[in-house]
Amino acid sequence: EVQVLESGGGLVQPGGSLRLSCAASEFSFSDFAMSWVRRAPGKGLEWVAAIASSGGSTYYADSVKGRFSISRDNSKDTLYLEMKSLRAEDTALYYCAKCISGWYRDAFHIWGQGTMVTVSS
Amino acid sequence: QSVLTQPPSASGTPGQRVTISCSGGTSNIGSNSVSWYQQLPRTAPKLLIYRNNQRPSGVPDRFSGSKSGTSASLAISGLRSEDEADYYCATWDDSLSGPVFGGGTKLTVL
Repeated sequence: EVQVLESGGGLVQPGGSLRLSCAASEFSFSDFAMSWVRRAPGKGLEWVAAIASSGGSTYYADSVKGRFSISRDNSKDTLYLEMKSLRAEDTALYYCAKCISGWYRDAFHIWGQGTMVTVSS
Repeated sequence: QSVLTQPPSASGTPGQRVTISCSGGTSNIGSNSVSWYQQLPRTAPKLLIYRNNQRPSGVPDRFSGSKSGTSASLAISGLRSEDEADYYCATWDDSLSGPVFGGGTKLTVL
């Protein structure tokens, strides 16, 4: 079964850092663009970052630009999100999402169950 | 406030047909394709419609999508109790250089 599985969430203090991982299985990871999408408590979905299939191009929401970094290791079928200078408003369930094609602008086809990030002192 | 505007709620009775609208502008819906997602309580979002009106394998044909100008719609026919969920539209925004989601519509099956 095609799936992605997130890990790395947890409780972190404001200003702290965290690294999320997303392990992909049962598909050719290097052929697809990937994204991170989050949902804060009581709010809707918000796109966070995207990366092209090769890893050569990355894109960020203004709310995280300069603080978050998306990367991938195609040899390990794994996607990452490095988060720094975390704020309370970054508290959310973070989803890893596989695009339906190799084009980064395409729809989000496969979603993980999410990993919770809580920023609080 | 979301770039894409959806009604916060919608409702229908079993067997009925309901539609959910998604309104945007020329930099998003007007120039890019739209996708729709269903999120059941405590589960991950699920892709229902992509490229305006295409259904991924496994999505019933009760779900259909359309787009006209700067607006899009999701139609659900033969409404079932298990369709009770949050529904989101999404598209790329050329001005923001990234995907944007609607605020979500909570569908209640009466």
